Amino acid sequence: ILNVEQSPQSLHVQEGDSTNFTCSFPSSNFYALHWYRWETAKSPEALFVMTLNGDEKKKGRISATLNTKEGYSYLYIKGSQPEDSATYLCAFPMDSNYQLIWGAGTKLIIKP
Amino acid sequence: DSGVTQTPKHLITATGQRVTLRCSPRSGDLSVYWYQQSLDQGLQFLIQYYNGEERAKGNILERFSAQQFPDLHSELNLSSLELGDSALYFCASTESSSYNSPLHFGNGTRLTVT
Repeated sequence: ILNVEQSPQSLHVQEGDSTNFTCSFPSSNFYALHWYRWETAKSPEALFVMTLNGDEKKKGRISATLNTKEGYSYLYIKGSQPEDSATYLCAFPMDSNYQLIWGAGTKLIIKP
Repeated sequence: DSGVTQTPKHLITATGQRVTLRCSPRSGDLSVYWYQQSLDQGLQFLIQYYNGEERAKGNILERFSAQQFPDLHSELNLSSLELGDSALYFCASTESSSYNSPLHFGNGTRLTVT
């Protein structure tokens, strides 16, 4: 059974601090790893799609790394701001047909 | 704005009824996905269509059905509604059915069954 795990489940971070969290996925039959940000009362928004081992992507203060051999990805947020408060989801295609297995998410709360 | 349009935004109906949720994908996107988010649950994949054909099926109940039309819009039909069907239903689209295309989500339809 394929499983995607995210940790921690929730995280309280002081405004201005940097933080990171983890997505673990099966290291065999790797296709891609997706990261999404889901703000309350909105819809999920794609952050990154990562496909290559050692890949590193950046979008403003948010970046992500990928290790396909050991099956994990880190999402980093530098200098957290209140608008970063959201649930961050990772998802893993279970096959080449794109059926995604979703993690339960890391809920990030930025304290002013 | 993701470019994915879902209507209606809210729907309140009674048990036993049937409703249709509609989704228009982003211009140029061929693939449409339906997800259900129940209270305190994550995203549950229901079904995927690619260019009019069913591509993958998730945990979709037999009371639910969907289709994608030639103009690529999609409809999700929910029948014999039960209280437990109350949820937020998201539609998402991608340009292709390739695993490296990000999903673009609509704003969802909130269904309340009373």
